[in-house]
Amino acid sequence: DGGITQSPKYLFRKEGQNVTLSCEQNLNHDAMYWYRQDPGQGLRLIYYSQIVNDFQKGDIAEGYSVSREKKESFPLTVTSAQKNPTAFYLCASSTGTSSGNEQFFGPGTRLTVL
Amino acid sequence: AQSVAQPEDQVNVAEGNPLTVKCTYSVSGNPYLFWYVQYPNRGLQFLLKYITGDNLVKGSYGFEAEFNKSQTSFHLKKPSALVSDSALYFCAVRDTGTASKLTFGTGTRLQVTL
Repeated sequence: DGGITQSPKYLFRKEGQNVTLSCEQNLNHDAMYWYRQDPGQGLRLIYYSQIVNDFQKGDIAEGYSVSREKKESFPLTVTSAQKNPTAFYLCASSTGTSSGNEQFFGPGTRLTVL
Repeated sequence: AQSVAQPEDQVNVAEGNPLTVKCTYSVSGNPYLFWYVQYPNRGLQFLLKYITGDNLVKGSYGFEAEFNKSQTSFHLKKPSALVSDSALYFCAVRDTGTASKLTFGTGTRLQVTL
């Protein structure tokens, strides 16, 4: 998990509330990613950013929003529009956009909707 | 479109025995292939990758993987399993034509027993 921090580790949300998950990296990586992990479904890409002030939707972007105002930070907001937000959320980063670069992952945030 | 399949939800092996975790993939171009390991309530850790060159790739903790283009496979192997290897293993693929998107398999749980 070195170099990427996610907070909080556990997060509880009431229905109808927006919540923001933090992701910070000190690896000087250009690219950052958000994934959602559900049991038996592997990881699914929510949003990714290849450079500051730019980001693209992944496979399941509906109900989520992001910003990339600083190179080291890529916060994810889970909005009330996300119908089933309870999941384990993972942030990752990688150097550049070369296809051969592996991604480094943070420790994750477990979000539970009450 | 790219995809990756991990046909086994769980693999059980006795400590000291060799282990294999299977992965097959589908891409339109040439693949970049990755293996990650996840321990409970943690982020993913990078194990190894295949980009080009030697079909046998060696990675962390004694793991290796063999790229087989004709069978479109990238199975993870270890000659002698340890109880501490028990974890969730993910195979991932990226098409050479896709700069940022990594597609993950659904994961295989490895259980190593004494």
